[in-house]
Parts: sequence; structure tokens; C-alpha cells
Amino acid sequence: QQQVKQSPQSLIVQKGGISIINCAYENTAFDYFPWYQQFPGKGPALLIAIRPDVSEKKEGRFTISFNKSAKQFSLHIMDSQPGDSATYFCAASRTARAGGSYIPTFGRGTSLIVHP
Amino acid sequence: IAGITQAPTSQILAAGRRMTLRCTQDMRHNAMYWYRQDLGLGLRLIHYSNTAGTTGKGEVPDGYSVSRANTDDFPLTLASAVPSQTSVYFCASRRPNTGELFFGEGSRLTVL
Repeated sequence: QQQVKQSPQSLIVQKGGISIINCAYENTAFDYFPWYQQFPGKGPALLIAIRPDVSEKKEGRFTISFNKSAKQFSLHIMDSQPGDSATYFCAASRTARAGGSYIPTFGRGTSLIVHP
Repeated sequence: IAGITQAPTSQILAAGRRMTLRCTQDMRHNAMYWYRQDLGLGLRLIHYSNTAGTTGKGEVPDGYSVSRANTDDFPLTLASAVPSQTSVYFCASRRPNTGELFFGEGSRLTVL
């Protein structure tokens, strides 16, 4: 059972465009939703994260939109740049606040290519 | 720079051989994790440890074992490697009281 479903698997956008990656989760006990960015040959690194008590979080060009009722969250990259070309993973976990142990479940990843 | 150090960076291994992937962190994080990354399958949890002296099974633990003798080290052992264990392996630790994971650079393992 795939608890976090991520789409699309790959995405190509032009420089300056908006990149949108979507994730859906099953477990309503999840209360921490991070996005990780991975460049080729490197390990993933935390990009931005959100908790379900807010519907949106913005950090620079990166925004997470969260829809608790639909059990969905998405990453929006505004003014996409070639340097944003990477693989993006969404994840979900239960923190100690929700009686969990933080072990994250990852989506399968989205390969983003931003053309100059 | 503080972080996660993995070794080896890459390894080619004959099927049936034993292999240990090393992972060391210098952040004194209690929780550590081993993931494997395969194209189209994302990151799948193999084993984890919430604190030194304890370990737990993840989503794909078969064929792998771990130990956590101290806070800093979390080695992953393949007792008898098989070709299906060809993958990129990532070790990670978690910042306390948050869900943020710090990953190493990965170990690329090829089993022939």
C-alpha cells in the first residue's frame, strides 16, 4: 500500500514558468509534510515543510499548498530556473505530537527539468 | 562541515558476498535511518534506529541487518548480497523534535 502518492513522475517546464508537483496521502494521522530536493549524485535535502494547521507556506519561490480535507499537498515553484532541475520528493510522517515516531513515508519522486 | 558520512561511495560486489555500508554522523542525533533509492520507486526505508541500542524494521528489511552500538555509527550489512540489492543506499539522521532528515551522499552498490 502506497501511503503517499506523488505526481507527475517527470515534469518539463520553461525558465520562468511555474512548476507544480502534487502529493496525496492516506493516513489522517500524518502531521508533518516536508518536501526534499535532490540533485544528481547527492543526497536529498529538506526544501520546505508544512504542518496541517496552515493551508500554505511560502519560502522564496517555493510554496506548499495544503488541503487537509482532500488529503493533498502540493509544491509550487514560481519563476522556475534551470538550477531548480532536480528530483523532488514529498513525504509525510507522524510527529511525537500525533503519537508517532517521525518515520517519514516518501513519495516516489518527480524529476523536474527546467529548460533555459 | 557537520553531517552524515557514508562509505564506500560506490562498490561492485559479487553475489553471495557479505558487505557492510558504513554511516557516521557528527550531529549527535538520536534517530538514524537507512533508505534505498531505486528509479521509479523513490526512497524506501530499510531499517531505522530511534536511539543507540535500538533498531527497527522498515518497509524492505529482508536481506539487511543493522546495529547501533553508539550514537554516531549506524552500519548496514548485507549478509549475502543478491542482484536485486543493486541500488543507491542513503543513510540519514533526524534533527531532534522535528521531522527534518539529514542525508548522506549515498553509496552506490552493484551486485553482479
